[in-house]
Amino acid sequence: DTAVSQTPKYLVTQMGNDKSIKCEQNLGHDTMYWYKQDSKKFLKIMFSYNNKELIINETVPNRFSPKSPDKAHLNLHINSLELGDSAVYFCASSQDRRAGGDEQYFGPGTRLTVT
Amino acid sequence: QQQVKQSPQSLIVQKGGISIINCAYENTAFDYFPWYQQFPGKGPALLIAIRPDVSEKKEGRFTISFNKSAKQFSLHIMDSQPGDSATYFCAATLDQTGANNLFFGTGTRLTVIP
Repeated sequence: DTAVSQTPKYLVTQMGNDKSIKCEQNLGHDTMYWYKQDSKKFLKIMFSYNNKELIINETVPNRFSPKSPDKAHLNLHINSLELGDSAVYFCASSQDRRAGGDEQYFGPGTRLTVT
Repeated sequence: QQQVKQSPQSLIVQKGGISIINCAYENTAFDYFPWYQQFPGKGPALLIAIRPDVSEKKEGRFTISFNKSAKQFSLHIMDSQPGDSATYFCAATLDQTGANNLFFGTGTRLTVIP
């Protein structure tokens, strides 16, 4: 069974469009994350939610809006897509750090290409 | 600003050799140092991790050496195998109200030649 799943795996769209990426985890974790991996493979955290509450919000354009309907889901909505948004986006999850959760489990990634 | 610096960017090792990847950090508040392995088209997966109160941790062929005073840590892969060919990321993490704020290094692309 897939622990952290993302849909879609590939997303090709034009500049100016709005798109969403969905993430689900079946590990029972309290915390979920979104990371961006650029063309040089650099991984950078974007957002973190703990029990549906936003914890980490790094310097990300407000065109990016995470939404957590419940603890098992963290979706990423992107408005007015730009060429620079092209990247691989990874969802991850972990136990609450206060409960000893250190390891983050990553999804397979969503490759977003903006043309 | 790069919180965790990693070198080398790429590494080519013969099968059976030792692969060594180095990382350095500045923020002494970091309290957990994982290494992630990423294969092409896949998400990163935790390989091995260490806390700053330990100087070395070994799991099979993988060893982390940690030097708290120098704020440096490294990954050693003994008896490197072609199946180890992947990109390796060091990272450091801060506790942030229940979440791990993971700061990644820039990655090292390891190629093990048969």
